[in-house]
Amino acid sequence: GENVEQHPSTLSVQEGDSAVIKCTYSDSASNYFPWYKQELGKRPQLIIDIRSNVGEKKDQRIAVTLNKTAKHFSLHITETQPEDSAVYFCAASWAGGTSYGKLTFGQGTILTVHP
Amino acid sequence: DTEVTQTPKHLVMGMTNKKSLKCEQHMGHRAMYWYKQKAKKPPELMFVYSYEKLSINESVPSRFSPECPNSSLLNLHLHALQPEDSALYLCASSRSWTGAETQYFGPGTRLLVL
Repeated sequence: GENVEQHPSTLSVQEGDSAVIKCTYSDSASNYFPWYKQELGKRPQLIIDIRSNVGEKKDQRIAVTLNKTAKHFSLHITETQPEDSAVYFCAASWAGGTSYGKLTFGQGTILTVHP
Repeated sequence: DTEVTQTPKHLVMGMTNKKSLKCEQHMGHRAMYWYKQKAKKPPELMFVYSYEKLSINESVPSRFSPECPNSSLLNLHLHALQPEDSALYLCASSRSWTGAETQYFGPGTRLLVL
């Protein structure tokens, strides 16, 4: 099955700095890569996603890049703010076999933005 | 309505109790999911329903019994749970069960088994 590795497990930055979280996946058939933000005690919320026919996608301060050849994708947050502090999960899903549509999550990155 | 709702928010139950978790969405989504999440860990898939039919059971113990009465509702029936089943139970839905549809999560039910 699919395996998603996420690094780093914790990330501490100063307000205004950039933060980068990286994920690698194992199954070249994976075609959908969402990023979820989960604040303490809250639900995971989709912040951005990318599909395998796109190399980069931006939404204001957030961007995701995808390298299909290397099988990795990254989340970039610019001008970080304290409210960006949360756990971030990457995920991958693929269309094939008996696991069609199943999301496999990375282990998460705890991002702390210091004022 | 763009939300997935879950009830109850919190649940405490003994190992001999029977209880149910409920999930509802009114986005017209045809795929619904149950996940289990332990503290500081990612969500783990338990079940997938597609068009009200069970499509995936991730080898979940039979003390967890899912039910999808209609396209908007998803239940998880709990019986004879163990303390290690204490976790946050998340429901999610997506437009369909494919490899590229966004899954929207509910707020979860925080379950404590004593």
